[in-house]
Amino acid sequence: KQEVTQIPAALSVPEGENLVLNCSFTDSAIYNLQWFRQDPGKGLTSLLLIQSSQREQTSGRLNASLDKSSGRSTLYIAASQPGDSATYLCAVRPGTDKLIFGTGTRLQVFP
Amino acid sequence: GAGVSQSPRYKVAKRGQDVALRCDPISGHVSLFWYQQALGQGPEFLTYFQNEAQLDKSGLPSDRFFAERPEGSVSTLKIQRTQQEDSAVYLCASSSKQGNLNQPQHFGDGTRLSIL
Repeated sequence: KQEVTQIPAALSVPEGENLVLNCSFTDSAIYNLQWFRQDPGKGLTSLLLIQSSQREQTSGRLNASLDKSSGRSTLYIAASQPGDSATYLCAVRPGTDKLIFGTGTRLQVFP
Repeated sequence: GAGVSQSPRYKVAKRGQDVALRCDPISGHVSLFWYQQALGQGPEFLTYFQNEAQLDKSGLPSDRFFAERPEGSVSTLKIQRTQQEDSAVYLCASSSKQGNLNQPQHFGDGTRLSIL
């Protein structure tokens, strides 16, 4: 059974720091991995999708990497801002259409 | 519409009542998903539709949960004889192309269900 784990569960940093959020999964047979952002009381906003054949994806200050063989992904946030405060979720697509999510990392960036 | 729309945003019901939650996917999206998110947890898959066909309902926790998408657009998730453990946020997502597993899923803001 595929399991997705995110470390750390919570993170509090001053503005301007570069951050790394970690995601690990137990079964390397995946089609893709997706990173989401969730603000309180809101749904999920897709940030980056990495296909299984890709190593990384970049969007602005965000960079996500994927090492499928070791079952790991990282989300790198450069020059963090208070507006980045949210919960970050990773999810894998194991080959069926559903996504399997981790429990998230709750990020707070303070001024 | 511009995004996935869910209604109501909040629903409070007494234990034992039936509830119905609605999802309007992005126009033209073929695939529709329902997820359940407990407090402090990641979303968990409930069921999946491709057009009007329910292809996977393996995540539905019991036979009290029922979902339909009769015309291949709007979907309704119904919970009968609600129980306190049904309290959660119910998220709906849609994606555009059937058979393309690399299409991202787009989520609505969810319905927060509280069972008293």
